[in-house]
This record gives sequence, C-alpha cells and structure tokens, in this order.
Amino acid sequence: DAKTTQPNSMESNEEEPVHLPCNHSTISGTDYIHWYRQLPSQGPEYVIHGLTSNVNNRMASLAIAEDRKSSTLILHRATLRDAAVYYCILRAPTNFGNEKLTFGTGTRLTIIP
Amino acid sequence: DVKVTQSSRYLVKRTGEKVFLECVQDMDHENMFWYRQDPGLGLRLIYFSYDVKMKEKGDIPEGYSVSREKKERFSLILESASTNQTSMYLCASSLWGTGGNNSPLHFGNGTRLTVT
Repeated sequence: DAKTTQPNSMESNEEEPVHLPCNHSTISGTDYIHWYRQLPSQGPEYVIHGLTSNVNNRMASLAIAEDRKSSTLILHRATLRDAAVYYCILRAPTNFGNEKLTFGTGTRLTIIP
Repeated sequence: DVKVTQSSRYLVKRTGEKVFLECVQDMDHENMFWYRQDPGLGLRLIYFSYDVKMKEKGDIPEGYSVSREKKERFSLILESASTNQTSMYLCASSLWGTGGNNSPLHFGNGTRLTVT
C-alpha cells in the first residue's frame, strides 16, 4: 500500500491560514488523496479529496503538486474549532468496496488564540 | 446525515471475558470497518466488510473476529479479552465507490474499552 508522511504536530495562530503538508512519493497514477480530521473525543470526519487538480469545499482547500508526490491541506482562516488531528491517506479506486483502508498517525494541529 | 452508532461509549471488562462491540449505520452503506486507536500508533484496521456475510482481515486481526449478518450492523468480537486490547475502537461505514472514486468514510464516536 502506498504510504503517506506527515509532520507529527503543527501550531498556528487563530484567524491565520494553515498549510498542512503530506508527502506520498510512492503514489500510483490512480490513487486518490483523501484528508480526514479527528476532533477531540470524536471519530474522524471526512474533509476533502482529490486526484490531480486542486479542490475546494466549504471546509478547506486541497493543493496537489504537479507530480502528485505531495499535497497540502489549506485551512484559510483557522479557528479554535479546527484544533484536531489531520490524516492524509491514499485510496486506490474500487467500484465494489473490498478496500483495505489504513490511516497513519496524522498531524496534531494546535491553534493558538 | 449519515449516522454511525456504536452501542457503548465506555466499556469495562475483565480478562478472559467475551466482548461484543456493536456498530449500526443507517444509510444502507455496503462497506463497514473496525479500527482501534492507540496513542502514537494512529488508527489501525482490524477487519472490514464490503457486503453482508463478507469479511476481510485488516492489519491487526489477531484476537478479534467479526460478524455481519445484516447490512446495517457490524459486530466486533473479542473472544477472550486481554489487557493489551484496552483501546479506543472506532467503527466506520461507506458506500461502494462509483467510477473508481471512493466514497468517504463515516465514523462513529468510538467505544473506549478497558480490560482489567
């Protein structure tokens, strides 16, 4: 399985943008890049995903390098509620499930008031 | 909204007991997953199921079994609980992918199991 590498922890000031990096140098041409986050005392929640092009949704933006060996999750204006562990994972496409989906240890984001 | 419900938030069991962790989802998802989460180790996949009565081993299946008799319910079974199975257990579900684009996972809020 293709592996991702993320920093263990990051800090950011409230109301400033946050850029969370993820390296995935062994990504295959068909792997999708997914991001999840886990707030304290909750299960992980889906944030965003993409294949090649940059993606935006109401929660965040995903910037994917041209060679796809790295990506960056961008929170445009961090709030205290964004303090969480953020996971970057790769998912091989499948139309029928049977997907052995594993997570790493993620990046713990601390927001400084 | 998709709801994934785990039957207990906290559970305390004794070594050697048989333990059942239940997970129910209400959105007719085909895929269901069981993970455990431990400090410094992230989420590790125990078992997953992509259809009723189908099950596949994840990365750490030893000491666990699963049951999927109905589409909405996925049970994790600890046949004889041991102290090293003290952990946070998380259940998740998702639809099958379409066009190769995998559907996001929806997680429950977890069951913190303590084995004494």
